[in-house]
Amino acid sequence: EAQVTQNPRYLITVTGKKLTVTCSQNMNHEYMSWYRQDPGLGLRQIYYSMNVEVTDKGDVPEGYKVSRKEKRNFPLILESPSPNQTSLYFCASSLRGPRLTYEQYFGPGTRLTVT
Amino acid sequence: QKEVEQNSGPLSVPEGAIASLNCTYSDRGSQSFFWYRQYSGKSPELIMFIYSNGDKEDGRFTAQLNKASQYVSLLIRDSQPSDSATYLCAVKENTGFQKLVFGTGTRLLVSP
Repeated sequence: EAQVTQNPRYLITVTGKKLTVTCSQNMNHEYMSWYRQDPGLGLRQIYYSMNVEVTDKGDVPEGYKVSRKEKRNFPLILESPSPNQTSLYFCASSLRGPRLTYEQYFGPGTRLTVT
Repeated sequence: QKEVEQNSGPLSVPEGAIASLNCTYSDRGSQSFFWYRQYSGKSPELIMFIYSNGDKEDGRFTAQLNKASQYVSLLIRDSQPSDSATYLCAVKENTGFQKLVFGTGTRLLVSP
């Protein structure tokens, strides 16, 4: 089954404790992206990757890191989480980077709470 | 900051009616436009995309694009209670950045 998976699905952590949210897709997609979703602010892009070893900042990259060492995986790293990073996070992938038809497949989401 | 704007709703329609969801965007050079549906607590799923002026129909859904007026809309015919969800408009801007910009979504409620 074609899918994007994220782990963990739920996470409660404390300020400053480094964490990683994993994202994996089995569709051989080149393009992967991370979003956060907050009430009233909608989906905002954190980072994206056009292919292996090619990443770039989205709209809200502060406090996050990413890496793309393999085509299928795109982990999101919070080196020192803070309460303002409490949010619902989505990973997404698509076959190529943005074209006229740009269908992104979203993972199930990770709800992160930082206390 | 380029913007994509949607009325947050809720938009309430009775079962069987036509639901009309609207989205405006600020970047006149935007190229492609997408409608996603998101059920509460779930991830967004693509309903339709459109990139040419005019209408595009897919089953009960019709996307309408007017680039001159910078708006895109989604019509849902014969609305069903299962259509109750938040509908997100997303725009591929005409920039070198490879990303979509999402609106905050319109919540649709279809009553039986």
